[in-house]
Amino acid sequence: QVQLRESGPGLVKPSETLSLTCTVSGGSISSYYWSWIRRPPGKGLEWIGYIYYSGSTNYNPSLKSRVTISIDTSRNHFSLNLSSVTAADTAVYFCARGTLGAALADSWGQGTLVTVSS
Amino acid sequence: DIQMTQSPSTLSASVGDRVTITCRASQSVSSWLAWYQQKPGRAPKLLIYKASTLESGVPSRFSGSGSGTEFTLTISSLQPDDFATYYCQQYSSYPYTFGQGTNLEIK
Repeated sequence: QVQLRESGPGLVKPSETLSLTCTVSGGSISSYYWSWIRRPPGKGLEWIGYIYYSGSTNYNPSLKSRVTISIDTSRNHFSLNLSSVTAADTAVYFCARGTLGAALADSWGQGTLVTVSS
Repeated sequence: DIQMTQSPSTLSASVGDRVTITCRASQSVSSWLAWYQQKPGRAPKLLIYKASTLESGVPSRFSGSGSGTEFTLTISSLQPDDFATYYCQQYSSYPYTFGQGTNLEIK
């Protein structure tokens, strides 16, 4: 059964870049869609964007100018970079896989809390 | 963006109860709606997609219905494992958007 695990700094300073990696085990990343989703404290889930295994991407327009999602099939992981962060980017960040299409996240990581603070 | 509104925000119920959670979209999403379950500290789990299709392995006590702008998630007989937060998500148009969540708690 596929497992996803997020990793990266738990604390990022304002104006810096948030960088997270999602390592996939129990399955190959060379298929399907791979997404990042976040949940700010006290709020609902927000779709950040996804990458297809071939490398094509689609980002939430509200974040598009600051987001980059990349994939490394040789290491079986994909990554999120979010630049120029502010306190509003404080959230639990989830990575997820979509086998039924880009939109449906059928396997998720447990999430990692990233706090933006000086 | 399409706004998704869930009601209620919190629902108190007992084991064995039949419960229904409602999700409304700010514009029609046809049947492009999914439901997820999340427990504290755990990964979210896809329950239902295309409004009423049960994801593989999900117990049959879960069901979904609706189309257009109004949808429901029903649990026919609550089990102890079902107390969690539930989210709806539209995937009719990008960006995909979620409801704010319904916290199903033990009465």
